[in-house]
Amino acid sequence: QVQLKESGPGLVQPSQTLSLTCTVSGFSLTSYNVHWVRQPPGKGLEWMGRMRYNGDTSYNSALKSRLSISRDTSKNQVFLKMNSLQTDDTGTYYCTRDRLGITTFDYWGQGVMVTVSS
Amino acid sequence: DIQMTQSPSSMSASLGDRVTITCQASQDIGNNLIWFQQKPGKSPRPMIYYATNLANGVPSRFSGSRSGSDYSLTISSLESEDMADYHCLQYKQYPPTFGAGTKLELK
Repeated sequence: QVQLKESGPGLVQPSQTLSLTCTVSGFSLTSYNVHWVRQPPGKGLEWMGRMRYNGDTSYNSALKSRLSISRDTSKNQVFLKMNSLQTDDTGTYYCTRDRLGITTFDYWGQGVMVTVSS
Repeated sequence: DIQMTQSPSSMSASLGDRVTITCQASQDIGNNLIWFQQKPGKSPRPMIYYATNLANGVPSRFSGSRSGSDYSLTISSLESEDMADYHCLQYKQYPPTFGAGTKLELK
């Protein structure tokens, strides 16, 4: 069945780089886009960026200078790297998927909580 | 970017009440809108696709509608399990943008 699972460090120091992995199963990264969405504690959801099925990427312009998304299709993994972390980057980070004309944001990972603190 | 103005930000209602949450889009998004339910500590769960289509497994007391640039999620008769946060998302234009969310609590 379809699954997405985020993994990464729970604690990152300010100014450091966040590295997260989304491991997927039950579908192919060459057929579906994978998105990253984050949520500060007690606040709303923010779209961060996506890895398209063909390897192209799109980013939220507010994060573009700090954010990089890549993938390893052989391992069914999508990676997020964001540098220069600050305390307001604290929150839960999710990956989710879509496929144009088929389905949109239907399955989500359980999320990984990231705290930016010294 | 398209702005999604969601209201109310929070509300309290009684069991059996009819509840409506609204998102207004700043530009035309057609029907490219999803409603999510999110319970504490859980991932968002799609409830309504394409503005009006019920997702698989969602109770029929939930419905979605559109009037121009206003999109509504309605719960016809509130049940205790419906207490949650609700979010709208437009995906007509990149970047996808969410409403600020509505916290639904029991009165």
